[in-house]
Amino acid sequence: NAGVTQTPKFQVLKTGQSMTLQCAQDMNHEYMSWYRQDPGMGLRLIHYSVGAGITDQGEVPNGYNVSRSTTEDFPLRLLSAAPSQTSVYFCASSPSGQGSEQYFGPGTRLTVT
Amino acid sequence: AQSVSQHNHHVILSEAASLELGCNYSYGGTVNLFWYVQYPGQHLQLLLKYFSGDPLVKGIKGFEAEFIKSKFSFNLRKPSVQWSDTAEYFCAVDDYKLSFGAGTTVTVRA
Repeated sequence: NAGVTQTPKFQVLKTGQSMTLQCAQDMNHEYMSWYRQDPGMGLRLIHYSVGAGITDQGEVPNGYNVSRSTTEDFPLRLLSAAPSQTSVYFCASSPSGQGSEQYFGPGTRLTVT
Repeated sequence: AQSVSQHNHHVILSEAASLELGCNYSYGGTVNLFWYVQYPGQHLQLLLKYFSGDPLVKGIKGFEAEFIKSKFSFNLRKPSVQWSDTAEYFCAVDDYKLSFGAGTTVTVRA
């Protein structure tokens, strides 16, 4: 099993550009989520999904969109990149939501200039 | 959602020293508690978890944590650290959403 994979590993964007961060898991997990990690702030939940076709907002959803058309994939879209979105982004999956271990991807380091 | 406080931002230790990292959350009720670790250049991975039962839980690599319900705390301990324990440690609390603390960077000097 590859676990949770994320692409790209690094990305530099100019302000106003859009892009999609890819996330895939091969563990047949129902629950997937996106976090951003910023120094001194830990991990903050952006969006999550409890199954294909179902998504919901987390703590910091503004400026991001998600969709979940399959169990395996959970892409994160930046609509119009801003310097405040410079961060490390982690995708995670788990067999269920509450109470189960999260399996994290390797992260995407995004810089917006 | 819970607010999770980790008391130390950066801890520097020598090998064989004991380690204790504090974690407090904001309110009671039924919660699930986790410690995750991120070694340099690696994924975040689960160190240990508490759901119910014995409040002293043991995890991987000799780590343990104690849940004290009255203090809303879930502190992480290791009696004798090694250089390989250098990492960032995150406490997480799950009631209906998973909330992470800001993290503690632990540097172990050989």
